[in-house]
Amino acid sequence: QKEVEQDPGPLSVPEGAIVSLNCTYSNSAFQYFMWYRQYSRKGPELLMYTYSSGNKEDGRFTAQVDKSSKYISLFIRDSQPSDSATYLCAMSEVDNFNKFYFGSGTKLNVKP
Amino acid sequence: NAGVTQTPKFQVLKTGQSMTLQCAQDMNHNSMYWYRQDPGMGLRLIYYSASEGTTDKGEVPNGYNVSRLNKREFSLRLESAAPSQTSVYFCASEEGTANYGYTFGSGTRLTVV
Repeated sequence: QKEVEQDPGPLSVPEGAIVSLNCTYSNSAFQYFMWYRQYSRKGPELLMYTYSSGNKEDGRFTAQVDKSSKYISLFIRDSQPSDSATYLCAMSEVDNFNKFYFGSGTKLNVKP
Repeated sequence: NAGVTQTPKFQVLKTGQSMTLQCAQDMNHNSMYWYRQDPGMGLRLIYYSASEGTTDKGEVPNGYNVSRLNKREFSLRLESAAPSQTSVYFCASEEGTANYGYTFGSGTRLTVV
């Protein structure tokens, strides 16, 4: 079983829709949670970072962590065609934060 | 503001050949990483260097060696390339506190025939 599971999609939505992207994990020691966006043939870029549980908002993006369910989410409001990319979740333990475990990524397509 | 620079961008190798992938960062980051990305597998850690002078194995180190040449540079070497090493390789760096996440390079697409 992988440490981090993520639905690969693809997920296709119309412009303006609310998008929900999710990851589940098995290691209860994970405390750092991140979301990266990766455009085709580019390196991933950091979108959101949260520590432990709770919500974090940045513009149209909201990251949620539910440690009791071992479940994290990224919400995108008012989605735009420019949001079309692959979204990767990543997480690590406090005592071993150099080793991030990545999900396999969800491909999102926002149609104009 | 270069960030993380990887060379080369593309490479085709024959089975058994060797090569070194180069990575340099200009952000004064302490930690550097090498990942490979394969379809359906996500990013898998090959080796990392938490600070200058140290290196450690990640999830998939077999067939690879690394050198942290100085604080800026971290190279990945394939001694005898195999078709299973066909992948996209990403170098990343991070301040060293896990507070800010990784900065990734643009990747090296390697094909081993």
